[in-house]
Amino acid sequence: KNQVEQSPQSLIILEGKNCTLQCNYTVSPFSNLRWYKQDTGRGPVSLTIMTFSENTKSNGRYTATLDADTKQSSLHITASQLSDSASYICVVSANAGNNRKLIWGLGTSLAVNP
Amino acid sequence: DAGVIQSPRHEVTEMGQEVTLRCKPISGHDYLFWYRQTMMRGLELLIYFNNNVPIDDSGMPEDRFSAKMPNASFSTLKIQPSEPRDSAVYFCASSLTGAFEQYFGPGTRLTVT
Repeated sequence: KNQVEQSPQSLIILEGKNCTLQCNYTVSPFSNLRWYKQDTGRGPVSLTIMTFSENTKSNGRYTATLDADTKQSSLHITASQLSDSASYICVVSANAGNNRKLIWGLGTSLAVNP
Repeated sequence: DAGVIQSPRHEVTEMGQEVTLRCKPISGHDYLFWYRQTMMRGLELLIYFNNNVPIDDSGMPEDRFSAKMPNASFSTLKIQPSEPRDSAVYFCASSLTGAFEQYFGPGTRLTVT
């Protein structure tokens, strides 16, 4: 069964600290993996997308990694800011015949405190 | 571009009433998606359209839910009759390239009492 599991479920850190969010998936056949950021009361916004051949991709203070062998991805946030407080959702795309199917994780809720 | 537009932003209704949610996708996007988000289940894809045609409606929970896309700039999601378990945030998203790079609207928070 295609699944995406994220950990931790929630996280509280102090402003300026780093943190790492985890995403484990059992999706086949794998197409790509995307991280979304969802601010409270708003829709998700894409942070980064990673394909099978990519190990690391950065977007400002956000760095995503992908290990296709172990089927794990991480999102590292450097020098956190108050505006990083949000839910971070991992989405894995699977090829399904002529269509692609998205499997969404439940997200990690991050709170950055001053 | 104004992005994906959804209306209303909040809807409170009584059980048994009909609810209609509206979405205007980003101009030029030919894929439109309807999602439901709850704390317990996260984001769930209900249905998506390509060029106004429904492609996959396997996520629609039951016959009480229906969706239409009469033209490239407008879609509706209707619940009739509504039930308290339908309470959730409903998102519309659009995309140029199928299941990738989806742009989400602000969502409609539905409360059924």
